[in-house]
Amino acid sequence: GESVGLHLPTLSVQEGDNSIINCAYSNSASDYFIWYKQESGKGPQFIIDIRSNMDKRQGQRVTVLLNKTVKHLSLQIAATQPGDSAVYFCAEKYQYSTLTFGKGTMLLVSP
Amino acid sequence: DGGITQSPKYLFRKEGQNVTLSCEQNLNHDAMYWYRQDPGQGLRLIYYSQIVNDFQKGDIAEGYSVSREKKESFPLTVTSAQKNPTAFYLCASSRTGGNTEAFFGQGTRLTVV
Repeated sequence: GESVGLHLPTLSVQEGDNSIINCAYSNSASDYFIWYKQESGKGPQFIIDIRSNMDKRQGQRVTVLLNKTVKHLSLQIAATQPGDSAVYFCAEKYQYSTLTFGKGTMLLVSP
Repeated sequence: DGGITQSPKYLFRKEGQNVTLSCEQNLNHDAMYWYRQDPGQGLRLIYYSQIVNDFQKGDIAEGYSVSREKKESFPLTVTSAQKNPTAFYLCASSRTGGNTEAFFGQGTRLTVV
């Protein structure tokens, strides 16, 4: 499929490394945040979410950290695998508004 | 299987033609959305609907139209007024409310020939 990652920031890691993908969000009032994974030619898939009353949330091999002071969100992937190669988007939301998406980061995992 | 189905996966349009992209969901979600994705960019909101028979413009609604006659369906028409329609189009749905994620379809790639 066509690359949605053209001109995106790219993070290249070796299989087994830990990956950290960062996102600066725009609205200091946002109270809900989501990380999505998008493989080439497919729709985004939900990975993990976090509410603004938390600063850390863990899932299976993934951790999201939220720093509201500097409006920063990060996604940590432990023991990165080739199947993790994709574009990762953060999204933010304020109350009943629609989701606003960041531009994405491409993660490339080498065997 | 519960989910969102977009069709067709690939669509070719001649200049000056209108085309309609289909989006159906069986998740019983009230809200549905259309996004456009261009290479190297994030998702930009075209239109959204939070209830049947009602919809609102998103950030880039010019040249597009939608309808929401049924809860399950939210078709998008790309009109001839859209100057640069070649893109990847994504439909999503969600429950209404604050802390709710959107679930996406697999997208339709539209190319103007």
